[in-house]
Amino acid sequence: SYDLTQPPSVSVSPGQTASITCSGDELGDTYVSWYQQKPGQSPVLLIFQDTIRPSGIPERFSGSNSGNTATLTVTETQVMDEADYYCQAWDRSTVVFGRGTKLTVL
Amino acid sequence: QLQLQESGPGLVKPSETLSFSCTVSGASISNGTYFWGWIRQPPGKGLEWIGSMFHSGNTYNNPSLKSRVTISIDTSNNQFSLKLNSVTAADTAVYYCARHRRQIVFVTSTDYYYYYYMDVWGRGTTVTVSS
Repeated sequence: SYDLTQPPSVSVSPGQTASITCSGDELGDTYVSWYQQKPGQSPVLLIFQDTIRPSGIPERFSGSNSGNTATLTVTETQVMDEADYYCQAWDRSTVVFGRGTKLTVL
Repeated sequence: QLQLQESGPGLVKPSETLSFSCTVSGASISNGTYFWGWIRQPPGKGLEWIGSMFHSGNTYNNPSLKSRVTISIDTSNNQFSLKLNSVTAADTAVYYCARHRRQIVFVTSTDYYYYYYMDVWGRGTTVTVSS
């Protein structure tokens, strides 16, 4: 099965930039999506097709994907951005999620 | 505005069958190019995709669960359902229904691939498997 590797945790100070990586074999050859999940809530689509933000998602969230690594970048991070973040790809007719990264803003 | 609402049993015993339904409001399941499917999340853990179905019957499933999973669509009631049989404690989780979007990318005029993501999620329903 295809594996997507994310760091378990990332910490950032308010107002700074956070980067969350997602690694997989030749990941850059497909499109990646990102989801945000706050405690007790369902996931929310943040990014699809590597870089596209759905309507209503703040511009401070951006994505990139090249080689074996996709990256979610949060600029000017706010306390409200503290959440779990999951990357997701499609491989051999199967949805694959990364294990998630807990973003701590402190 | 599209909304999805799950319903489930709450508590089931090991070896029984879990049954869920997801009611879709604000859009018709049988219109458009969307798949409809399920994702689960065990307590304190990450997301696990279960499977999805198109209204015409085309289905994708997680190979690790495929033999135990049945997804169906009821277009007359604008609902879709999940059945998971032979459950164990490992199936204890929050179960989410979600709208799935499958997009096609043409590399050449004849060579293409799909990508797939979930753009609208339900609130989730918690199920515990315990005797």
